[in-house]
Amino acid sequence: AQSVAQPEDQVNVAEGNPLTVKCTYSVSGNPYLFWYVQYPNRGLQFLLKYITGDNLVKGSYGFEAEFNKSQTSFHLKKPSALVSDSALYFCAVRQGGSASKIIFGSGTRLSIRP
Amino acid sequence: DARVTQTPRHKVTEMGQEVTMRCQPILGHNTVFWYRQTMMQGLELLAYFRNRAPLDDSGMPKDRFSAEMPDATLATLKIQPSEPRDSAVYFCASGLVSPSSRHTGELFFGEGSRLTVL
Repeated sequence: AQSVAQPEDQVNVAEGNPLTVKCTYSVSGNPYLFWYVQYPNRGLQFLLKYITGDNLVKGSYGFEAEFNKSQTSFHLKKPSALVSDSALYFCAVRQGGSASKIIFGSGTRLSIRP
Repeated sequence: DARVTQTPRHKVTEMGQEVTMRCQPILGHNTVFWYRQTMMQGLELLAYFRNRAPLDDSGMPKDRFSAEMPDATLATLKIQPSEPRDSAVYFCASGLVSPSSRHTGELFFGEGSRLTVL
């Protein structure tokens, strides 16, 4: 069975500092991994994905994520946080191949203080 | 600008009433998902369809929830009878999913239907 864990409910970072939002996953076979962001009273928006290839993937708004197969992790990172990055972030996993099911982690609230 | 459209955006109803939420997925997307978001449970997968066929609805309470996709432009989620514990934001999302890595399944979400059952 697929599962996704986001161990931190909240991450607090000062503006200008690097940020990391953690995600670990469990899935059979090769995973397709995603990060989404949700602003208040809005739907989720796609940020970036890992399918295959380079373990470091880059996405929207300066975010990147690092896939680590041995640790089954896909942590979201940004070198320098902005106050506008404050939002709810979700990690998601889909089993590769013909499977369609996509499940999400519980979400991590990122708060960037000026 | 293609987007997923959900109606209603807000619904307040009384316990025992029927609630129907509707979703218009993005034209050409072959997979439609229904998720429920609550503070306690996060984002739960309720059901999903591929090419209008239901693939998995194991996340739904079977006795009161039903999900259908009568045509390619409409997906519905129905609750009958509704209960206060059903209060949540319900999201519909659509995407292109296929075995090839060309369609990897990033999803486009609607703005959600916020349901309050009194």
